[in-house]
Amino acid sequence: GAGVSQSPSNKVTEKGKDVELRCDPISGHTALYWYRQSLGQGLEFLIYFQGNSAPDKSGLPSDRFSAERTGGSVSTLTIQRTQQEDSAVYLCASSPRRSQETQYFGPGTRLLVL
Amino acid sequence: SQELEQSPQSLIVQEGKNLTINCTSSKTLYGLYWYKQKYGEGLIFLMMLQKGGEEKSHEKITAKLDEKKQQSSLHITASQPSHAGIYLCGADGRAQKLVFGQGTRLTINP
Repeated sequence: GAGVSQSPSNKVTEKGKDVELRCDPISGHTALYWYRQSLGQGLEFLIYFQGNSAPDKSGLPSDRFSAERTGGSVSTLTIQRTQQEDSAVYLCASSPRRSQETQYFGPGTRLLVL
Repeated sequence: SQELEQSPQSLIVQEGKNLTINCTSSKTLYGLYWYKQKYGEGLIFLMMLQKGGEEKSHEKITAKLDEKKQQSSLHITASQPSHAGIYLCGADGRAQKLVFGQGTRLTINP
């Protein structure tokens, strides 16, 4: 009965470097979401995966951000050429299906770009 | 570790009625967020509270953080069908982790 897990829990990187954030959703959950919470702000939706459908990328802030989900399970969020404004907590959530289901959140990855 | 408890877990109200959802923390809150999850969509940020006694409003939704900063309430006036969804409170824990309540499922009957 493991919940959503994310790794690493903390990441410090230098401006301009690429980073990869990982999310392991709850087994059997077909929907997976990535959110970002910048300091002092609410959650910001980034991207959503549902089964084998094309992901909803409408929340990605720039083309430096991308995400993939392999085998309908693990997801990786990649940020290329990181900027200081990318510093935030990145949260992943999963749900059994998209509609009418509470999302279960992972603990987040705290990213600091120096 | 900090825990957030929301009450009630589910709520059914008649359209036009007022309602309140509570979020109680086991520890002092340093930042409290309210979100709404509409059916079939992701989380929508509603508002953030940081100071004890702070109150914020957005349209017909008002949220307050009590003076002791361990409880927040979300109040909806003259509820409408568009208010239906799951309301989630979240907090900045001192362990630098975000914690969330379990959510309150709100149904508005016409």
